[in-house]
Amino acid sequence: NAGVTQTPKFQVLKTGQSMTLQCAQDMNHEYMSWYRQDPGMGLRLIHYSVGAGITDQGEVPNGYNVSRSTTEDFPLRLLSAAPSQTSVYFCASSPGGRGYHGYTFGSGTRLTVV
Amino acid sequence: AQSVTQPDIHITVSEGASLELRCNYSYGATPYLFWYVQSPGQGLQLLLKYFSGDTLVQGIKGFEAEFKRSQSSFNLRKPSVHWSDAAEYFCAVGASSGSARQLTFGSGTQLTVLP
Repeated sequence: NAGVTQTPKFQVLKTGQSMTLQCAQDMNHEYMSWYRQDPGMGLRLIHYSVGAGITDQGEVPNGYNVSRSTTEDFPLRLLSAAPSQTSVYFCASSPGGRGYHGYTFGSGTRLTVV
Repeated sequence: AQSVTQPDIHITVSEGASLELRCNYSYGATPYLFWYVQSPGQGLQLLLKYFSGDTLVQGIKGFEAEFKRSQSSFNLRKPSVHWSDAAEYFCAVGASSGSARQLTFGSGTQLTVLP
């Protein structure tokens, strides 16, 4: 199993550009999430999904869009990149159903907006 | 809403010494608690988790954590630290109700291990 795969690993954008961060999981997990990590702030939830076709906002959703057309994929779109979006982005997934299993994380995408 | 506090931003220990990383949480119901470790340039790896039952939880790499409801704490411990344990450690609490089940993270503790 590949687990949670994020692409690209590194990206530099100019202010105002748009791009999509890709996330795919092969574990048939229902729940998927996007976090951003900034120094001294831990990880903050951007958007999450509890199944195909269902998404919701997290703590810091402004400037980002998501969609979940399949169970496997959960792309994060930056609509118009700003320097404040310079961060490391992590995608994570978790099984659904009863109980609580915790999340498996991808290796991250380091984004710089200049 | 849940929250997590990790009071120590940076801890330095000598190799072979014992380690305790502090974590305090705020949550209205029974929490789901986690410790993750992040090595430089890497993603997060789950060390251990607490859902219910025995309050002393064993994890990977020789780590353990103790859930203390009266103190709202979930401190991470290791009896003897190895140089390879140098990393950043994150405590997290999960929402157990509803459809969210999302994790809220603390700000992290950076561990330095001296030879």
